[in-house]
Amino acid sequence: GAVVSQHPSRVICKSGTSVKIECRSLDFQATTMFWYRQFPKQSLMLMATSNEGSKATYEQGVEKDKFLINHASLTLSTLTVTSAHPEDSSFYICSATGGLYEQYFGPGTRLTVT
Amino acid sequence: AQSVTQLDSQVPVFEEAPVELRCNYSSSVSVYLFWYVQYPNQGLQLLLKYLSGSTLVKGINGFEAEFNKSQTSFHLRKPSVHISDTAEYFCAVRSGGGQGAQKLVFGQGTRLTINP
Repeated sequence: GAVVSQHPSRVICKSGTSVKIECRSLDFQATTMFWYRQFPKQSLMLMATSNEGSKATYEQGVEKDKFLINHASLTLSTLTVTSAHPEDSSFYICSATGGLYEQYFGPGTRLTVT
Repeated sequence: AQSVTQLDSQVPVFEEAPVELRCNYSSSVSVYLFWYVQYPNQGLQLLLKYLSGSTLVKGINGFEAEFNKSQTSFHLRKPSVHISDTAEYFCAVRSGGGQGAQKLVFGQGTRLTINP
């Protein structure tokens, strides 16, 4: 089946630094990737949609200069949290689709900003 | 705009009992419907999906769901649950349109707890 990986699974960084999260589709070409944020005991909140080779489309209220998304190839998208602050601490999940009906989700990345 | 409502935030059930997790959606266009399960500190795993055809959909781990267009519902059921079914369950909808309509809209989630 379709597998999506994320790296790292956990990351702790100091306030003011930047951190990059990778999302890879391992056995299919992902025309579209999605980035979600999930707070404890809450649902997933879509942050942005990225299509390979084009700029990401951000949801309302998501700062595009803070959450930089790059989808440089059909198997890799990256999310960079710039100048991270404690309120950016969250569980970040990516998903990928090859253009059909369903999204395949990565295992998530737990970001803690100290 | 589409929306999804999961009517129960928490459902406690005894092991081997049946369970139903409720999901209602609103949409002005045709939809595709999904149920995902999330175990602690993990991503989402697809349980089942409704795209078209038979309204009764069978998924993994013994789960099934029934699409009811008139009631705009897509309730998830399992006749006999196990301890390992303890997890968070999310109902999601996306419109049946083309490339630009791939976004999933998630419900708030239902925490299913199986008690021995």
